[in-house]
Amino acid sequence: TQLLEQSPQFLSIQEGENLTVYCNSSSVFSSLQWYRQEPGEGPVLLVTVVTGGEVKKLKRLTFQFGDARKDSSLHITAAQPGDTGLYLCAGGAANQGGKLIFGQGTELSVKP
Amino acid sequence: NAGVTQTPKFQVLKTGQSMTLQCAQDMNHNSMYWYRQDPGMGLRLIYYSASEGTTDKGEVPNGYNVSRLNKREFSLRLESAAPSQTSVYFCASSEVTFWTGSGYTFGSGTRLTVV
Repeated sequence: TQLLEQSPQFLSIQEGENLTVYCNSSSVFSSLQWYRQEPGEGPVLLVTVVTGGEVKKLKRLTFQFGDARKDSSLHITAAQPGDTGLYLCAGGAANQGGKLIFGQGTELSVKP
Repeated sequence: NAGVTQTPKFQVLKTGQSMTLQCAQDMNHNSMYWYRQDPGMGLRLIYYSASEGTTDKGEVPNGYNVSRLNKREFSLRLESAAPSQTSVYFCASSEVTFWTGSGYTFGSGTRLTVV
């Protein structure tokens, strides 16, 4: 069974601080996706990384896919209260029969 | 463009009652999914349908059944609700090759409480 472990599970920081969320597995994935979920809503896709070593930037968010395609990280620079939410990583592969494997999530709270 | 629509948004059931959660998507996606979300456990797959006419069990299928009524609609049925099924349920849809970029589109969820 393929598993994705996210850390930390909870993160509470002040506005303006930087943070990194990690997503690790012992399995190789074809792609890693990051989703953000706000209270009362479903997750929304932020980014997909498909190549080992790939780095993608989305404004203050930087996503990286590990060289071996087993891990990924999400770095937020100068966090803002609007970044508050649940961040989920998810791994996909052609041999998974069309299913994503989700991590447990990281609950981020950014205080003004 | 509504995306994925789930009904109802909230439901309270008594133990042993049955109900059906409805899901419809208007993006012409082939694949549809049902997940449950519990604190600290992320999203766990209950059932999925890779294409119209097919359904398969996910990680936690016990106590649930599904129907892929047509390409747009995928329903989840609880035949005899139990307190352990108290959760938030999400429906999602995707293209077949979701892992290359498009990912999943989720509905806004159904919060179910079984008392």
